[in-house]
Amino acid sequence: GAVVSQHPSWVICKSGTSVKIECRSLDFQATTMFWYRQFPKQSLMLMATSNEGSKATYEQGVEKDKFLINHASLTLSTLTVTSAHPEDSSFYICSARAVLKTSGRDEQFFGPGTRLTVL
Amino acid sequence: AQKVTQAQTEISVVEKEDVTLDCVYETRDTTYYLFWYKQPPSGELVFLIRRNSFDEQNEISGRYSWNFQKSTSSFNFTITASQVVDSAVYFCALSEFQGAQKLVFGQGTRLTINP
Repeated sequence: GAVVSQHPSWVICKSGTSVKIECRSLDFQATTMFWYRQFPKQSLMLMATSNEGSKATYEQGVEKDKFLINHASLTLSTLTVTSAHPEDSSFYICSARAVLKTSGRDEQFFGPGTRLTVL
Repeated sequence: AQKVTQAQTEISVVEKEDVTLDCVYETRDTTYYLFWYKQPPSGELVFLIRRNSFDEQNEISGRYSWNFQKSTSSFNFTITASQVVDSAVYFCALSEFQGAQKLVFGQGTRLTINP
């Protein structure tokens, strides 16, 4: 159990276009979802925290108008990279937080990531 | 502010050697969580362990063991009898115990196990 999916797994787009990445918790409802960005050979950096039905909280230095986050339900969050440029090329990873009924533990579960390449 | 430091950028050992990955953290919180994740070339993060700050017992899981020393703010990870499949980037991370529990990651250690 506790599977998080991301779609697409990779995407190549032209500079100036917008790209939407979906993050879904498949077998549980997530109280909170997080979006991370990882540049090549670097660490994961938190971009934003989102809760269902409310506005996302962005980390310092992350442009909210460029990285639009919609958390439409307890199982789906989307990240839209608007007017993407080559410097936005990165590995985007989401995670979903939930208290599992099986264990009673409050945990975070990571998606497999989406590799974005902007030409 | 929370901070995690993994001073070892890259480690390369020969198969069957033991290897320890260091992790030092900084936080003002009295309670917190510490984590280790493995990231193979595929990119997907693999959860290895979560430890809460009030449990200082060392843990062993097969060839993996973790040493938590609150006095030195360290949470080191040892792989015994390393195998080629252990080659990956390993991240240490820290989160608050309450609240949003956002994860702060270290820079990662790239471990290469040579046959």
